Amino acid sequence: GQQVMQIPQYQHVQEGEDFTTYCNSSTTLSNIQWYKQRPGGHPVFLIQLVKSGEVKKQKRLTFQFGEAKKNSSLHITATQTTDVGTYFCAGLNRLAFGKGNQVVVIP
Amino acid sequence: DADVTQTPRNRITKTGKRIMLECSQTKGHDRMYWYRQDPGLGLRLIYYSFDVKDINKGEISDGYSVSRQAQAKFSLSLESAIPNQTALYFCATSDFGGTNYNEQFFGPGTRLTVL
Repeated sequence: GQQVMQIPQYQHVQEGEDFTTYCNSSTTLSNIQWYKQRPGGHPVFLIQLVKSGEVKKQKRLTFQFGEAKKNSSLHITATQTTDVGTYFCAGLNRLAFGKGNQVVVIP
Repeated sequence: DADVTQTPRNRITKTGKRIMLECSQTKGHDRMYWYRQDPGLGLRLIYYSFDVKDINKGEISDGYSVSRQAQAKFSLSLESAIPNQTALYFCATSDFGGTNYNEQFFGPGTRLTVL
């Protein structure tokens, strides 16, 4: 089946700094979705990207979809303690989630 | 999401026991899913159903079975539980249409421990 790989798997980020998490697919994706799971919670939808090269912003979060539609990134600026959690990407035309990027924020 | 509920929320059982996890939704979605989450392994799909008469195996269906009793209900069964089925189980729903294709709405999860 389709594989969606996320790097890094774990990140420790100083509060106030920026970080990026990446998602790579072995095949072209029709769309990609990003989810966030807070500690002890369930995954919650953040955004969907559909078009090649698409960029979307949500306040401090910037999502990009690669030109070849095989990779995506999530960039967070000025990290806050509320950004703690695990970020998943998913290629849902094949129901494939990545393993997630667990983010710990250091105050 | 309060629109997707799972029961029980926590369960401890013994090896060899049969156990059923239940999921209900009030979102009116046709599509329902069962995922398993283990540390470091992300979300792995067990079974999914695109409507009441449709059942499909996911990535890790061995040792599990499902029943789609109605549009709103999707149950996951472990016929004979084993310790490596200890995990956090999520039910999810989605709609075929809408702004975000197949956006998944997750229930709160069931933490299952098999001793």
